[in-house]
Amino acid sequence: KNQVEQSPQSLIILEGKNCTLQCNYTVSPFSNLRWYKQDTGRGPVSLTIMTFSENTKSNGRYTATLDADTKQSSLHITASQLSDSASYICVVSYNAGNNRKLIWGLGTSLAVNP
Amino acid sequence: DTGVSQDPRHKITKRGQNVTFRCDPISEHNRLYWYRQTLGQGPEFLTYFQNEAQLEKSRLLSDRFSAERPKGSFSTLEIQRTEQGDSAMYLCASSQDRASGANVLTFGAGSRLTVL
Repeated sequence: KNQVEQSPQSLIILEGKNCTLQCNYTVSPFSNLRWYKQDTGRGPVSLTIMTFSENTKSNGRYTATLDADTKQSSLHITASQLSDSASYICVVSYNAGNNRKLIWGLGTSLAVNP
Repeated sequence: DTGVSQDPRHKITKRGQNVTFRCDPISEHNRLYWYRQTLGQGPEFLTYFQNEAQLEKSRLLSDRFSAERPKGSFSTLEIQRTEQGDSAMYLCASSQDRASGANVLTFGAGSRLTVL
């Protein structure tokens, strides 16, 4: 069964600290993996998208890693800011016949406190 | 172009009423998606269009739900005879289909529906 699991479910850190969010998937055949940030009451915003051959991709203070062998991805946030408080959702795309489909994780809720 | 626009942002209705949401995608995007999201859950796929053609519908899209994209630009999502279980955030997203498959979905801010 195609699944995307994220951990931890929620996380509280102090402003300025680093944190790492995890995503494990059992999706096949894999196409790409995306990380989205979703502020409360808003739509998700894309942070990174990684294909099979990419191990690391950065977007400012966000760095995503992908290990396609172990089917794991992480999102590292450096020097956290209050505005990083949001839900971070891992999404894996796979090929289904002529279509590409997305499997959404439930997200990690991050709270950055002053 | 200011991104994906959804209207209304909030809708409160009584059970049994019909509601319609509108989505204006990014103009050069040929794909348009509708998702539903409840509190604490990730978005659940409902349906998507490539241009004006509705290519896929989720089992979640019961016969009370209908989506259209008549001219391949904006889309509407109508819910008939609303039920309390329909209360959710309805998200619209658009993308430009790429052969590589790495098409990035750009989401709107969502339309929050509350059914009393």
